[in-house]
Amino acid sequence: QLQLQESGPGLVKPSETLSLTCIVSGVSIGSPGYYYWGWTRQPPGKGLEWIGSISHIGATAYNPSLRSRLTISVDTSKNQFSLKLTSVTAADTAVYYCASDQELRSGGVLVNYFQSWGQGTLVTVSS
Amino acid sequence: SSELTQDPVVSVALGQAVRITCQGDSLSRYYVSWYQQKPGQAPVLVNYGKNNRPSGIPDRFSGSSSGNTASLTITGTQAEDEADYYCNSRASSGTYLLFGGGTKLTVL
Repeated sequence: QLQLQESGPGLVKPSETLSLTCIVSGVSIGSPGYYYWGWTRQPPGKGLEWIGSISHIGATAYNPSLRSRLTISVDTSKNQFSLKLTSVTAADTAVYYCASDQELRSGGVLVNYFQSWGQGTLVTVSS
Repeated sequence: SSELTQDPVVSVALGQAVRITCQGDSLSRYYVSWYQQKPGQAPVLVNYGKNNRPSGIPDRFSGSSSGNTASLTITGTQAEDEADYYCNSRASSGTYLLFGGGTKLTVL
């Protein structure tokens, strides 16, 4: 059974770098059918915001609004993937979720879907 | 534009049907996925593509799409269906994903 678990500091100072890791268990990151692995965040009391995704071979897709500050990487040997967000501000305070990001093409039309999620981790940006 | 628009609040009487919609220019090219989120919990996938339900999701949750609008319909709405619902799809460029703003479903 696929499980994901976020880990990382819960408090980051403004202007510093937010770093999180998602540990995947139950499935190999490189397994057929699991093409991408993604990050989503949710500021307190607000909606979901897709951050970005990475494939097991390191191909990335990023939210354009975060691209200049964002790096997502994968370590298949440790079966985990990571997020780094630089120059953080209070606006980056959120619950950060990792999830499996799968694709399905039906009748020529593509859909991405996040089937398995981590429990989420709250990261607060504050001095 | 690269946005997905949802009604912020929708209400439904217990046992009745309700439709939650998601509008966006990209939806004429891409299907959506739908997520249910209850307070303090991670989102849960309830429907995706051309009406696919993950294992364990009741068949009262169904998805459909027409033009630039995707819909999640809940038939025989239960009290436990009260939650926030989010759609997700690709942007018009196809190069990134985005979520709708979410719909808070209240069961009366």
